[in-house]
Amino acid sequence: NAGVMQNPRHLVRRRGQEARLRCSPMKGHSHVYWYRQLPEEGLKFMVYLQKENIIDESGMPKERFSAEFPKEGPSILRIQQVVRGDSAAYFCASSPTLEDTQYFGPGTRLTVL
Amino acid sequence: GENVEQHPSTLSVQEGDSAVIKCTYSDSASNYFPWYKQELGKRPQLIIDIRSNVGEKKDQRIAVTLNKTAKHFSLHITETQPEDSAVYFCAAISRGGGSGGSNYKLTFGKGTLLTVNP
Repeated sequence: NAGVMQNPRHLVRRRGQEARLRCSPMKGHSHVYWYRQLPEEGLKFMVYLQKENIIDESGMPKERFSAEFPKEGPSILRIQQVVRGDSAAYFCASSPTLEDTQYFGPGTRLTVL
Repeated sequence: GENVEQHPSTLSVQEGDSAVIKCTYSDSASNYFPWYKQELGKRPQLIIDIRSNVGEKKDQRIAVTLNKTAKHFSLHITETQPEDSAVYFCAAISRGGGSGGSNYKLTFGKGTLLTVNP
């Protein structure tokens, strides 16, 4: 059973470009969560999705950030018009049911030049 | 919302000694407390967790204790080894804004950098 997969592992963008981060949850997991980790800090909740639904996006900036988890395919975190402050590691996690253990992917390290 | 404080921020021990990391949380409705180990550049890996109906849980050299009244929980690593060196994060699961008030939102402490010296 493959773990949570994320790609790309590293992403470099120039200011103003778009970043698209992908997450495939573990098999059988329908709950996906995105977290952001700034250097030398803990992870901060961004958004929680189930298939085709955003359940809670309270931790995600209202502008430039969006997330989806389509019926087919991976969950996508999209950052438009990136700025230097968006540079961070973005982790997704998945769980089989609500209130269950969350397993993390390897993360995407975004660098904005 | 939930707030998790973690101490110490750095901890250095000699191989074979014990290490203890402590966390406090603020939301009395939180009912699940995982601990993650993160090596440099790697994913957070769950090492042990505890639910609020249990006071202590042990898995080989790792144990976690929970005091619901005081709202604090601790990680104990005995007989430390150099490969235990990493950043350790505590977390508490609390109610998010969606899903009918269910607990799913992990709030993390800021981490403890553990160094085990050979």
